[in-house]
Amino acid sequence: DAKTTQPNSMESNEEEPVHLPCNHSTISGTDYIHWYRQLPSQGPEYVIHGLTSNVNNRMASLAIAEDRKSSTLILHRATLRDAAVYYCILRDRQQIIFGKGTRLHILP
Amino acid sequence: DSGVTQTPKHLITATGQRVTLRCSPRSGDLSVYWYQQSLDQGLQFLIQYYNGEERAKGNILERFSAQQFPDLHSELNLSSLELGDSALYFCASSVVGAGQETQYFGPGTRLLVL
Repeated sequence: DAKTTQPNSMESNEEEPVHLPCNHSTISGTDYIHWYRQLPSQGPEYVIHGLTSNVNNRMASLAIAEDRKSSTLILHRATLRDAAVYYCILRDRQQIIFGKGTRLHILP
Repeated sequence: DSGVTQTPKHLITATGQRVTLRCSPRSGDLSVYWYQQSLDQGLQFLIQYYNGEERAKGNILERFSAQQFPDLHSELNLSSLELGDSALYFCASSVVGAGQETQYFGPGTRLLVL
């Protein structure tokens, strides 16, 4: 499976935008980029996914580099409830291969 | 609330014992996945079922087995338990189990083996 690299942890202030980076230099043409997050004491939760174009939904935006070797999850206005571990995942099959993710701390 | 339910929430048992974890998928979802989350290994895919049939296998030990019943609920059986089996076990479901489908995760069962 193609691998992703994310920072172990990040901090952001409440009500400010957060940019969570992900490197995936070995991505293949059929890999979709998915983001899930895991809030404390909960199961993982789908955030967003994309293939080539930037994507927006009610939770976040996903910016994908033109060469697809990196992507950035953007939370436009972080709240304390966004504190979680964020997983960037490449998928070309049914099962999800989770990495270590980025632990996002939100400062009030 | 994802719509996926798991029981029990917590389970404490002893080494050598056998336990069964239960998962009910979201209404209409045919595919069920099981994952194990331990402190040192992170989230690991164990096994997937689709409409009662095993579809994919991950890092599932031979001591572990699963099945999906005609009503689509699934059970994960863990036997000859060891201390290292202590972990959170998550079930997820998706509509047909196709490659890019969103998976919806349950709240998990926390297993403690003493």
